[in-house]
Amino acid sequence: NAGVTQTPKFQVLKTGQSMTLQCAQDMNHNSMYWYRQDPGMGLRLIYYSASEGTTDKGEVPNGYNVSRLNKREFSLRLESAAPSQTSVYFCASKDRLYNSNQPQHFGDGTRLSIL
Amino acid sequence: QQQVKQSPQSLIVQKGGISIINCAYENTAFDYFPWYQQFPGKGPALLIAIRPDVSEKKEGRFTISFNKSAKQFSLHIMDSQPGDSATYFCAASRRSGGSNYKLTFGKGTLLTVNP
Repeated sequence: NAGVTQTPKFQVLKTGQSMTLQCAQDMNHNSMYWYRQDPGMGLRLIYYSASEGTTDKGEVPNGYNVSRLNKREFSLRLESAAPSQTSVYFCASKDRLYNSNQPQHFGDGTRLSIL
Repeated sequence: QQQVKQSPQSLIVQKGGISIINCAYENTAFDYFPWYQQFPGKGPALLIAIRPDVSEKKEGRFTISFNKSAKQFSLHIMDSQPGDSATYFCAASRRSGGSNYKLTFGKGTLLTVNP
């Protein structure tokens, strides 16, 4: 049972390069999320997708785009990477759309460094 | 604007001792309060959660105490073990922007349990 799978696990980019972070879940969850985690900042929501075909901005969306490719997959794209985007990125998914009692299940993260 | 304030930032406890992490929130619309545990190199995983109509929830050595009037909740880890050493995040969830529920995280507490 894989849960939430993120690729790649590590990546180093140069400023201005573009990159897509991939996320897939095999739990048939409706909702998917992208967070970034920085030291002392907790987890901050970048974008989320309540269901297939919909995406919405979170707390820190600037510099990112997302695509909900299908129910399983939710990708995060950096069009022109900046050093401020150096972070650990987590994808998460959640079951039932209309129920707050469902936990979010997280992947193990993508560690991204931008030089 | 930080909606969930977590303290302390770090905590060192001796094996067998009690670890206590506190969180405070401002928005009374929050209706679900989970705690996540994160080990190095891994994504956060749900540890225990509580709803505001309950004052306490216990699962094994982990207990959430909830004070609705004070808008505070805390995690108590009894008989702390070295294997409990991890970063702990409190979070709060509310219905936002339609039907989806989003989590707001505290900034995390790094717990070290010395043998």
